[in-house]
Amino acid sequence: EDQVTQSPEALRLQEGESSSLNCSYTVSGLRGLFWYRQDPGKGPEFLFTLYSAGEEKEKERLKATLTKKESFLHITAPKPEDSATYLCAVCNAGNNRKLIWGLGTSLAVNP
Amino acid sequence: GAGVSQSPRYKVAKRGQDVALRCDPISGHVSLFWYQQALGQGPEFLTYFQNEAQLDKSGLPSDRFFAERPEGSVSTLKIQRTQQEDSAVYLCASSFGQGSYNEQFFGPGTRLTVL
Repeated sequence: EDQVTQSPEALRLQEGESSSLNCSYTVSGLRGLFWYRQDPGKGPEFLFTLYSAGEEKEKERLKATLTKKESFLHITAPKPEDSATYLCAVCNAGNNRKLIWGLGTSLAVNP
Repeated sequence: GAGVSQSPRYKVAKRGQDVALRCDPISGHVSLFWYQQALGQGPEFLTYFQNEAQLDKSGLPSDRFFAERPEGSVSTLKIQRTQQEDSAVYLCASSFGQGSYNEQFFGPGTRLTVL
């Protein structure tokens, strides 16, 4: 059964304190792994898609990496505006009609 | 251009009432998805449309849930005889390509509260 597990559930950082969020997945054939950001009261906002192990993508203070079993979202020198819930999802190559989502990591960055 | 819009943003229903939730996707987007999101949880897939065709409805929790996209643009999610366990945020997303491996653009959601 396809499954996505995110850790930690919640993370509190001081401004400038770098850290990483983890997304572990089990899927019979990975078609893509996605990172989204969700602010309270809003829908998720797309950040990255990773397709194969070894791939990396960056956007401002965020960098996403992928292995055969997990993905990391590295946050470098975070700012308070990076506070949000970060969601990970996978698409199975055998059924590309739906994403399997994790529960998310709630990130709070204190000034 | 305009993003994905959903209406109403908030809906309070008495148990047993029928509700209809509307989604206006981005113009030209082929794929449309409905999700259910409980508080503190990730989105749960409900159903997928490619143009007007409903290709996957495996996530609909019961036969009280029904979705349509008759002209391949606007979609409506209908819940009949609402129950308290239906209380959640219902998210709609659209994407340009087919399937789920393209970037999805989400609406703000409709928060449904069933009393």
